[in-house]
Amino acid sequence: GQQVMQIPQYQHVQEGEDFTTYCNSSTTLSNIQWYKQRPGGHPVFLIQLVKSGEVKKQKRLTFQFGEAKKNSSLHITATQTTDVGTYFCAGGDYKYIFGTGTRLKVLA
Amino acid sequence: NAGVTQTPKFQVLKTGQSMTLQCAQDMNHNSMYWYRQDPGMGLRLIYYSASEGTTDKGEVPNGYNVSRLNKREFSLRLESAAPSQTSVYFCASSEANPLGPQHFGDGTRLSIL
Repeated sequence: GQQVMQIPQYQHVQEGEDFTTYCNSSTTLSNIQWYKQRPGGHPVFLIQLVKSGEVKKQKRLTFQFGEAKKNSSLHITATQTTDVGTYFCAGGDYKYIFGTGTRLKVLA
Repeated sequence: NAGVTQTPKFQVLKTGQSMTLQCAQDMNHNSMYWYRQDPGMGLRLIYYSASEGTTDKGEVPNGYNVSRLNKREFSLRLESAAPSQTSVYFCASSEANPLGPQHFGDGTRLSIL
């Protein structure tokens, strides 16, 4: 079955450093979504990518969808303490399979 | 704006007991989902309903049943709870065609002793 893996599993950064998480699927994806989950909270939708090679930005966050539509990345520039949480990618067609997540800790 | 509402928020059960987790959405979404999230883990799909009147198995359906009561409500039932089902359960909804962003409820934290 379809599998979606994310690396790294954990990342600790100093406030102000950049952060990147990578998402890799075993199959081609029609689209991909990214979510953020704060500790003790529920996943919150960030963005959806549909086109091959698509790049979208939200303030300090940059999202990319690979040319082959099998991988994606989320890059945060100059992390802040408010960025703490777990970032998940999710891919699929009629239902989404979530990635394993990357837990980000930002040290002040 | 309520969005997706889950009840109860917390529950403790004994092994072998049964219970139903309730989920309702007020966004007129066609698709609804049940996930479980174990500590430090990602979300695993239990069951989903692409539209009213249909349900399908996800990655981890064993030990669970679901009912899509109407367009708004999607319930998850544990017939005979087991300690391995201790988890946080999230309900979500989305537009179906094309598959849109998922909106999650606050979750139900379930402990089975």
